Amino acid sequence: NAGVMQNPRHLVRRRGQEARLRCSPMKGHSHVYWYRQLPEEGLKFMVYLQKENIIDESGMPKERFSAEFPKEGPSILRIQQVVRGDSAAYFCASSPLGVGNQPQHFGDGTRLSIL
Amino acid sequence: QKEVEQNSGPLSVPEGAIASLNCTYSDRGSQSFFWYRQYSGKSPELIMSIYSNGDKEDGRFTAQLNKASQYVSLLIRDSQPSDSATYLCALNSNYQLIWGAGTKLIIKP
Repeated sequence: NAGVMQNPRHLVRRRGQEARLRCSPMKGHSHVYWYRQLPEEGLKFMVYLQKENIIDESGMPKERFSAEFPKEGPSILRIQQVVRGDSAAYFCASSPLGVGNQPQHFGDGTRLSIL
Repeated sequence: QKEVEQNSGPLSVPEGAIASLNCTYSDRGSQSFFWYRQYSGKSPELIMSIYSNGDKEDGRFTAQLNKASQYVSLLIRDSQPSDSATYLCALNSNYQLIWGAGTKLIIKP
């Protein structure tokens, strides 16, 4: 499967635990974007990364959330000390280039549920 | 604050008819526009991209862009029940996508 791969598909955490979401971009894509979708709402941009660089994290909450895209391995979105409001679908997208007219291709998402 | 507005619907269209989905945006400088389809519980799937004023056709889908009026639309000809989904309009601002909330489309057999 050459598409964007996200895992896990579903993640359940209790309040105060940590959540780690993984994303492997499409083959040949070096630009990764994370979006969050709350129930019955549109997608909201969180962060844009290239290998070993965070380019734009303007959509990510300042506390508890972090993202990385290491030289080797998948991109990781990490949420510390999760709260009920973190329950959402988290989508990762990738593109071959980071310019504006490049369509972004999405993974199947991770559905995060906080008990 | 750059915004993308869509009627949330639901928009109900008989099978075989033309479904017309509309989207307006606030940023006059926007250059790239995308239509995605999202089935319930699934990820957004790219349908069309459009960058120039006018129409762009791909199979049963036609995207229309009017930068002067700041709207972009999607027409679906010969609508099928499998077209029932939420259609998301997005524009590219630098490298992040700004999304509308989506229009729920229901194709009635």
